[in-house]
Amino acid sequence: DIQMTQSPSTLSASVGDRVTITCRASQSIPRWFAWYQQKPGKAPKLLIYQVSTLESGVPSRFSGSGSGTEFTLTISSLQPDDFATYYCQQYNSYPLTFGGGTKVEIK
Amino acid sequence: EVQLVESGGGLVKPGGSLRLSCAASGFTFTNAWMSWVRQAPGKGLEWIGRILRKTDGETTNYAAPVKGRFTISRDDSENTLYLQMNSLQTEDTAVYYCATDGQLAFDSWGQGILVTVSS
Repeated sequence: DIQMTQSPSTLSASVGDRVTITCRASQSIPRWFAWYQQKPGKAPKLLIYQVSTLESGVPSRFSGSGSGTEFTLTISSLQPDDFATYYCQQYNSYPLTFGGGTKVEIK
Repeated sequence: EVQLVESGGGLVKPGGSLRLSCAASGFTFTNAWMSWVRQAPGKGLEWIGRILRKTDGETTNYAAPVKGRFTISRDDSENTLYLQMNSLQTEDTAVYYCATDGQLAFDSWGQGILVTVSS
């Protein structure tokens, strides 16, 4: 199984901050990699797929990058609506696996 | 607009069974791969399994913790996805989500349905 390790698990930041979340895979993933945002009591929402492609309607302050085993989600200027938990996911091979999540909190 | 609505959750005793449904609308369900994902209270997301479309053989794949106990099926005539859960254990307690599996990512999700396994 491909293990996905996110860091940090919790991040405290202020509105306007640049925020970076990292996800490491236990083995190389070509480009079958996505990021999701989840708010309390709500379903996850797709933000980015294929490492760096922004889902329709997602603000351009979100971006994704990386390759091989290391991937990054960047929020260029944190907005109040961005305080949430973020999950990475690989869909390269079964079982499809998610990272443990990164909670972005208000500083 | 894509809509996925789960139903069938609730309280069940250990060893019991439950069937979840996911009613789909707003897209061509027949063409869609679908997945189930669950989230235990206060925990992260866990993929349970996937079913491909009929033209891909309706092939199913499952995560190890549920393989042999859970079965995913679909009724394309009713635009409905199912999750049959047998031999339920307390660790199966979670919110269960159905999601469109766009082969690039899970692009639409239902609101989720709570399943509680407790005596």
